[in-house]
Amino acid sequence: AQTVTQSQPEMSVQEAETVTLSCTYDTSESDYYLFWYKQPPSRQMILVIRQEAYKQQNATENRFSVNFQKAAKSFSLKISDSQLGDAAMYFCAYRRGSGYSTLTFGKGTMLLVSP
Amino acid sequence: NAGVTQTPKFQVLKTGQSMTLQCAQDMNHNSMYWYRQDPGMGLRLIYYSASEGTTDKGEVPNGYNVSRLNKREFSLRLESAAPSQTSVYFCASSEEGDGYSPLHFGNGTRLTVT
Repeated sequence: AQTVTQSQPEMSVQEAETVTLSCTYDTSESDYYLFWYKQPPSRQMILVIRQEAYKQQNATENRFSVNFQKAAKSFSLKISDSQLGDAAMYFCAYRRGSGYSTLTFGKGTMLLVSP
Repeated sequence: NAGVTQTPKFQVLKTGQSMTLQCAQDMNHNSMYWYRQDPGMGLRLIYYSASEGTTDKGEVPNGYNVSRLNKREFSLRLESAAPSQTSVYFCASSEEGDGYSPLHFGNGTRLTVT
């Protein structure tokens, strides 16, 4: 079974600074997708970014980018120019690429942003 | 476009009571899912439905039943609620069951069992 590990229960960053959230995963598959979801206090689950394992280029979405290290099975999220609205719980998630599969989540990292 | 709609938003039950959480999506998605979220545990899959007419157990199915009523609707039933089922429940849907299809989530139901 696939597992997703987020080793940082909580991280803090100041506005305008950069922060990196860590995620590692365990799989024997070669075809898979990795996701970062954001959950603000509103409880809504928002897709932040998606990475396809067969793509070597790291995904970026505006201020959000990932560092995907396939051999190390690492998938970190970098948030640049942090804003107060970035404060949320962030979940890393894995989904096998071939055939039917479900989404497996890590336990989450709470990001605190201070002015 | 409502996306995924869950009802109710909040619910308090007494031990032994039953209830059904409703979920509907208007995106014509084939797959639907029920997750529970507990502090420090992330989201764990309870049941899923790959397509209309099929349902399968996830990681934590005990104490729950589901019904895929039609392509739009996927309900979660607690037959005899227990305090351990106090949690936030999320319904989600995806176009397909392959890795490329992201999940779209409802806004969750906070359930307290006393």
